[in-house]
Amino acid sequence: KQEVTQIPAALSVPEGENLVLNCSFTDSAIYNLQWFRQDPGKGLTSLLLIQSSQREQTSGRLNASLDKSSGRSTLYIAASQPGDSATYLCAVRRGSGGGADGLTFGKGTHLIIQP
Amino acid sequence: DAGITQSPRHKVTETGTPVTLRCHQTENHRYMYWYRQDPGHGLRLIHYSYGVKDTDKGEVSDGYSVSRSKTEDFLLTLESATSSQTSVYFCAIDSGGFGGYTFGSGTRLTVV
Repeated sequence: KQEVTQIPAALSVPEGENLVLNCSFTDSAIYNLQWFRQDPGKGLTSLLLIQSSQREQTSGRLNASLDKSSGRSTLYIAASQPGDSATYLCAVRRGSGGGADGLTFGKGTHLIIQP
Repeated sequence: DAGITQSPRHKVTETGTPVTLRCHQTENHRYMYWYRQDPGHGLRLIHYSYGVKDTDKGEVSDGYSVSRSKTEDFLLTLESATSSQTSVYFCAIDSGGFGGYTFGSGTRLTVV
């Protein structure tokens, strides 16, 4: 059974710092990996999707990398801002189909950016 | 979220009563999912659907049933609500391997 672990569980840093959130998974046979952001009381917003054949994806100040063989992904946030405060979730997909091939989630990293 | 809506957004119900949550999509995607999110457990899959009248169980399906009579609607029913079913419920649609999942805004359910 796939297990996804996110470290750290919580992180508080001053505004302006660059930071890295980590995600590891036990079964390297994944189809893709998706990073989400969740604000308090809200739904999940997709940030980046990395296919298993890709090494990284970038969107603005966000960069996600994937090392499938070692079962790891990182989300890099450059020049952090208070608006980046949220919970970040990592999820891996087993196959191209849905259902049982669908997403397995980590428990998230709760990020606070201090003004 | 664009293309997917959940109703109601909040609900308080009494133990033992039936409750139905609705998920509606405008994207015509085949796969739809119901998750619950609880502190310490993260997101857990309750049920999913892979087409009209085609559904299957997820990790935590006990006490829940689902129905999908139209492509756009996926209903989650708690036949007899219990306090352990107090949670935030999320619906998701699957755009396929290259599009990823899109989640609704959630329903906060409290069973008293």
